[in-house]
Amino acid sequence: KAGVTQTPRYLIKTRGQQVTLSCSPISGHRSVSWYQQTPGQGLQFLFEYFSETQRNKGNFPGRFSGRQFSNSRSEMNVSTLELGDSALYLCASSLGGLPSTDTQYFGPGTRLTVL
Amino acid sequence: AQTVTQSQPEMSVQEAETVTLSCTYDTSESNYYLFWYKQPPSRQMILVIRQEAYKQQNATENRFSVNFQKAAKSFSLKISDSQLGDTAMYFCARRGSQGNLIFGKGTKLSVKP
Repeated sequence: KAGVTQTPRYLIKTRGQQVTLSCSPISGHRSVSWYQQTPGQGLQFLFEYFSETQRNKGNFPGRFSGRQFSNSRSEMNVSTLELGDSALYLCASSLGGLPSTDTQYFGPGTRLTVL
Repeated sequence: AQTVTQSQPEMSVQEAETVTLSCTYDTSESNYYLFWYKQPPSRQMILVIRQEAYKQQNATENRFSVNFQKAAKSFSLKISDSQLGDTAMYFCARRGSQGNLIFGKGTKLSVKP
């Protein structure tokens, strides 16, 4: 079974631009979560989508948004990029059962650099 | 605040030896799940082992085992017969009440030949 895939793997943008990241979950998984990883803040939860609906959300500004499609693929969008948005963005998929018991499997990440 | 603490930013171990990575956490829940993830230099986060809090038996996966002390809120990872491929960042994580993972800051493990 193929793992979680993320595209693109690397991205360079300038301040003020917007960016869209894509994540394809493991086949059969219906939940997709997004995390931001930076050296200073570590791994922080952005949001989770399940059955095309945002089920949970972390403490990030509204510039960060996402969506999920009927095939469970998910996209994350960041508008009006800031230098501090430079990070590794990780996507994780899970079956989508009870959130407290589900195990998440991660993709390789997208490295976003904002200049 | 729901926190996960890894007190060892870096550790090193000789190949074939045993190493233990520490993790403590905070929670008010009675049942929850704990995880250890490994992130090699290639960046892919890999699940190493998971523990269900209501299970008293410590989880084991081949050379990886945990020492789960529920009352102390401690969840350490023991790696036996360390291999060069074990070199990675190791993250301890707890499943939050909303389902999201709450991670520690990580421990950088270097296995030396």
